[in-house]
Amino acid sequence: EPEVTQTPSHQVTQMGQEVILRCVPISNHLYFYWYRQILGQKVEFLVSFYNNEISEKSEIFDDQFSVERPDGSNFTLKIRSTKLEDSAMYFCASRGTANTEAFFGQGTRLTVV
Amino acid sequence: DQQVKQNSPSLSVQEGRISILNCDYTNSMFDYFLWYKKYPAEGPTFLISISSIKDKNEDGRFTVFLNKSAKHLSLHIVPSQPGDSAVYFCAASAHLTAGNKLTFGGGTRVLVKP
Repeated sequence: EPEVTQTPSHQVTQMGQEVILRCVPISNHLYFYWYRQILGQKVEFLVSFYNNEISEKSEIFDDQFSVERPDGSNFTLKIRSTKLEDSAMYFCASRGTANTEAFFGQGTRLTVV
Repeated sequence: DQQVKQNSPSLSVQEGRISILNCDYTNSMFDYFLWYKKYPAEGPTFLISISSIKDKNEDGRFTVFLNKSAKHLSLHIVPSQPGDSAVYFCAASAHLTAGNKLTFGGGTRVLVKP
């Protein structure tokens, strides 16, 4: 069964450093997403990406965040200068069409120290 | 602005009995609803979905009911099994919005006791 894969599974970084979280969505999917979940809290939307551009972003997704789909298979989330409050599980998801299920990766646990 | 709410943070049920999880939404543009199951330190796993043109969808032990007039959906799990113990999230999307993001509720932690 096709699946969304994320690397690394766990990333520890120092405050102020840049991190890149990587995702390989399901091939032939058209919609791509990043979500995050701070420990014990709800799953929060960060950004959606469709047709090679950002289609929607939340207020969390400020100018420290960026996404790229550099080669047609990978989908990356970059945080330019990490803050302590960026510590969370980050989930990538992809969706084939509008009203179908979204499939999530296993997540990257980001710890900012 | 919580557009999707799960008012019960936790639910405890005996093995073999029915688990009923509830979800309310406020955005009338939502037209597709999903339930996900999540274990700690793992990604959400899709369980079942329903389109707004239906009021019921069933898949094995899982049934989702949608009441559009009340803006309410529920997930029934019967019979409940110990392996069902997890956090369950409802989510909603609107296909007319750019990107069709999923908006999640806060989750309900289910504990199935043997």
